[in-house]
Formats: sequence, structure tokens, C-alpha cells
Amino acid sequence: DTAVSQTPKYLVTQMGNDKSIKCEQNLGHDTMYWYKQDSKKFLKIMFSYNNKELIINETVPNRFSPKSPDKAHLNLHINSLELGDSAVYFCASADRGSESGYTFGSGTRLTVV
Amino acid sequence: DAKTTQPPSMDCAEGRAANLPCNHSTISGNEYVYWYRQIHSQGPQYIIHGLKNNETNEMASLIITEDRKSSTLILPHATLRDTAVYYCIVRVGGNQFYFGTGTSLTVIP
Repeated sequence: DTAVSQTPKYLVTQMGNDKSIKCEQNLGHDTMYWYKQDSKKFLKIMFSYNNKELIINETVPNRFSPKSPDKAHLNLHINSLELGDSAVYFCASADRGSESGYTFGSGTRLTVV
Repeated sequence: DAKTTQPPSMDCAEGRAANLPCNHSTISGNEYVYWYRQIHSQGPQYIIHGLKNNETNEMASLIITEDRKSSTLILPHATLRDTAVYYCIVRVGGNQFYFGTGTSLTVIP
């Protein structure tokens, strides 16, 4: 049973397109996150949702819009894709306020051509 | 905003202990030290965390200095599968993780 699952695993798309990445967790955690890992391998937090409410929105273009239909799901929609959006996107979940760490998904490799 | 400093890379012979250092000289009294690793391009994997005391689990040991300004992750018997980037992170419980550049550990046969 995968604890944090992301789909798709790979996504190749053309500039200007709109795409979504889905994330689901079955750990019962109340908080979910999106991280971006660029070509330099630096992991940077993008968004955090706690019980469907946005609590962190780092400096991310507004072409990126997270959506959380319930606390087990956090999807990432990206409009008007650009070459610079190519990266690996990781979803994670945790219990906010707990000292327990995050559980990460296996990532979605997005390539914009 | 990573608050930790780690060497960019280290090598370790297979079967030997790998000791990965981390400096966190500005750590606050309520901040935990966490260690994660990322194997190739997989998702980061939790290893261990601690506040003041040394900790041990099935994967590793964490040694935190008495002043809490630095810590060492110990993999007691490194295998080739331990080759990965290891991240040391300080965090107040409930707050988000900020990853630094980590240490790229290469286990050599």
C-alpha cells in the first residue's frame, strides 16, 4: 500500500499547455505539501495545505494553483507551462504540530518542450 | 531558509561506518534535528530525528552535541544502497521543512 502516491510519474508536454498532477495520501495526515526539485537538485517548498486550507504559499507564479478537495488529496494544476517549469515535483504529507516527519511521494518528472 | 551546513560530498567504504556531520549553530531550543535521504531521484526518505538526546533506530544513529550546535548521522555498516544525498534539517514541530544542499554520500565497494 503506497502511503503517498502521485500521478503521473512522468509528464511531457508542450509550452503553453495546462496540466495537472495528482497526489493522494492514505496515512490520515492533516497536512499536505508540494515541493519542486529543479535541475540543480534543490528541493524547494511550494505549497502547504492543512485540512483543505492553504497555509503556505511560497513565491510561486500564480500559474500554479493547488487544489485540495479533501485532506487526503492535494492536486497541482499548472497553467501556460513554461520551459522553466521542467522539474521533479514531490508531494508530501504530515501531521501538522507533530514532531513526526514528512512522508514523500515518489515524484512526478515534468518536462516542458 | 536552510539553517544547516553540511559537507557537499563524502565517500565511505562498504561495510564501514559512515559518519555524516551537520552544523546547526543557530538552532533554537524547541527545534528538532531531522535527517532525510534521497536516493537518485526518488522521494526523500525519513531516517531519524531528535531533540537533545542521542537516538537510534534500525536505519541509523543520531548523535547531537550537548550544546546542540551540531550533530552526526551514523550509518553503522554502509552498503552500496546507502549511496544517496543526505539532508540535515532543523525544524520546529509543525512547521515546514526547508531542505539545504545536503551531503552526497558515495559508498565504495
